[in-house]
Amino acid sequence: NAGVMQNPRHLVRRRGQEARLRCSPMKGHSHVYWYRQLPEEGLKFMVYLQKENIIDESGMPKERFSAEFPKEGPSILRIQQVVRGDSAAYFCASSLYPNQPQHFGDGTRLSIL
Amino acid sequence: ELKVEQNPLFLSMQEGKNYTIYCNYSTTSDRLYWYRQDPGKSLESLFVLLSNGAVKQEGRLMASLDTKARLSTLHITAAVHDLSATYFCAVGTGNQFYFGTGTSLTVIP
Repeated sequence: NAGVMQNPRHLVRRRGQEARLRCSPMKGHSHVYWYRQLPEEGLKFMVYLQKENIIDESGMPKERFSAEFPKEGPSILRIQQVVRGDSAAYFCASSLYPNQPQHFGDGTRLSIL
Repeated sequence: ELKVEQNPLFLSMQEGKNYTIYCNYSTTSDRLYWYRQDPGKSLESLFVLLSNGAVKQEGRLMASLDTKARLSTLHITAAVHDLSATYFCAVGTGNQFYFGTGTSLTVIP
């Protein structure tokens, strides 16, 4: 499968735990985007990364959230000390160039108990 | 922050009918995208519109862009049940994509 791969598909955490969401972009894509989708809402931009660099993190909460896209391996969205309000679907997308259509993964559905 | 508004938010239509979904955005942009999302699934790219007056068609769907009016439309012709999904428009500016709230389309036999 050459598409955007996200794992896990579903993740359950208790309040205060850490959540780590992984995203492997399409082959050859170096631009990665993370979005959050609340039920029956559109996608909200969180962060845009290009290999080893955070280009734009203006949509990401200042505390508890971080993202990385290392030279080797998948992009990681990390949420520390999760709270109930973090429950959402988190989508990763990648593109070959910044302005091209983004290809989306199947998302990670995060549930906080 | 750029705002993207879609209407209607919910649309129930009979098979065989035509309808249009509207996407308005608040700031100048020359990149507009339409996506489809099935329940519990990811987003599928439908159209990319990159210039004023651009029109693209795929099957029963046709999208257009008027950058002066900051408006894009997604027209559905002779709807069929398989088109039931949520449709999102997204406007690209700088590094970001701004998504509309989506239009949930249900096609009734």
